[in-house]
Amino acid sequence: QQQVKQSPQSLIVQKGGISIINCAYENTAFDYFPWYQQFPGKGPALLIAIRPDVSEKKEGRFTISFNKSAKQFSLHIMDSQPGDSATYFCAASIAGNFGNEKLTFGTGTRLTIIP
Amino acid sequence: ETGVTQTPRHLVMGMTNKKSLKCEQHLGHNAMYWYKQSAKKPLELMFVYSLEERVENNSVPSRFSPECPNSSHLFLHLHTLQPEDSALYLCASSLSGDQPQHFGDGTRLSIL
Repeated sequence: QQQVKQSPQSLIVQKGGISIINCAYENTAFDYFPWYQQFPGKGPALLIAIRPDVSEKKEGRFTISFNKSAKQFSLHIMDSQPGDSATYFCAASIAGNFGNEKLTFGTGTRLTIIP
Repeated sequence: ETGVTQTPRHLVMGMTNKKSLKCEQHLGHNAMYWYKQSAKKPLELMFVYSLEERVENNSVPSRFSPECPNSSHLFLHLHTLQPEDSALYLCASSLSGDQPQHFGDGTRLSIL
């Protein structure tokens, strides 16, 4: 079964610090790697995504680092703020006839930013 | 504010009941999905509809029955559910192809 392994399960970071969440995958056919953010009582929302033709993508305080040879990718949140406290999911999919429909998700990381 | 609306937000039902979950999207998308979200487990893709045709069914028990009458609406009909079916059921939509999925806020289902 295709899997995406995510760590850590939970993370506590001080305000202003850097939050780092890691994911690893096995299927080398994966070619789309999004990160989703989920607040309590809400559905997941796309945060940032990367394709394997680049090693890094940055959007504001959020950066994805991608290591194709190691089959790993990570989310870095710079200058972490209390409003970033949420559960973060990595995912992966294979573009095909139906594009990115078949997402395989990690188990999630519960991030808490403390003052 | 989400363009994908799910109703009801909460549902409690007995194992012998029949109920339906509803999802509606106003984003002009042509693909819709049902996911199951359980604690400490990855989101599980249940069904995918593209252009109103079912293109994915991940070995979901027959007590879950999806219906997609048009590109804006998706239903999940439930009957004779088990306690382990208690979870958050999420609907999502997207444009087929190279486009991200947009999720609703889910229906929290509890089976007594």
